[in-house]
Amino acid sequence: QLQLQESGPGLVKPSETLSLTCTVSGDSVSSRSYYWDWIRQTPGKGLEWIGTMSYGGKTYRNPALMSRVTISVDTSKNQFSLKLTSVTAADTAVYFCARQPDSSSYYHYDFWGQGTLVTVSS
Amino acid sequence: DIVMTQSPDSLAVSLGERATINCKSSQSVFYGTNNRNYLAWYQRRSGQPPKLLIYWASTRESGVPDRFSGSGSGTDFTLTISSLQAEDVAVYYCQQYYSMPFTFGPGTKVDIK
Repeated sequence: QLQLQESGPGLVKPSETLSLTCTVSGDSVSSRSYYWDWIRQTPGKGLEWIGTMSYGGKTYRNPALMSRVTISVDTSKNQFSLKLTSVTAADTAVYFCARQPDSSSYYHYDFWGQGTLVTVSS
Repeated sequence: DIVMTQSPDSLAVSLGERATINCKSSQSVFYGTNNRNYLAWYQRRSGQPPKLLIYWASTRESGVPDRFSGSGSGTDFTLTISSLQAEDVAVYYCQQYYSMPFTFGPGTKVDIK
């Protein structure tokens, strides 16, 4: 059974960089078959797609966040990661990693991590 | 960006009664080449991540009770819970995956009357 688990600091200071990792168990982040995504839920904007990572590390990012977002993969640890720079209070959210079950097109999310709350505050 | 809207914002339904949630996209999410609507529905219970209920607008995810059904095409979609159970209390979201950026509706909160 596939499991996704987010990890990272729960508190980040304004203007600093938020760094999260999603550890995948039960499947491989190297698989050509899937897309791996980051999504967040904020009180103000609801659920917001952050970005998608595909086989080989190709990434797609939400234009609203693009200049601040980096998504990368560590195949040796079966993890993919999110970095969001220059954070403000508006980036306070529950951050989820999730899987699209096919990479031949765009798909829904069939598995989600539990989510991790990140608060931006000094 | 495709904007997703949902109605109502919240609803309270008696146990065993029908609950209907509407979702509208600002442009069509129907892809004629494969005859599919790129629309999913998720359930989010308190303290839990979203759970996939319906994809391709009307395909029920494995393990989801058959009281949940999805319908619609193009820009107008509906999630129906045919007989509300206590465990269905949650917020329900629609999502389009037709084009990036993928976008979600604001959610509809379902409670027991």
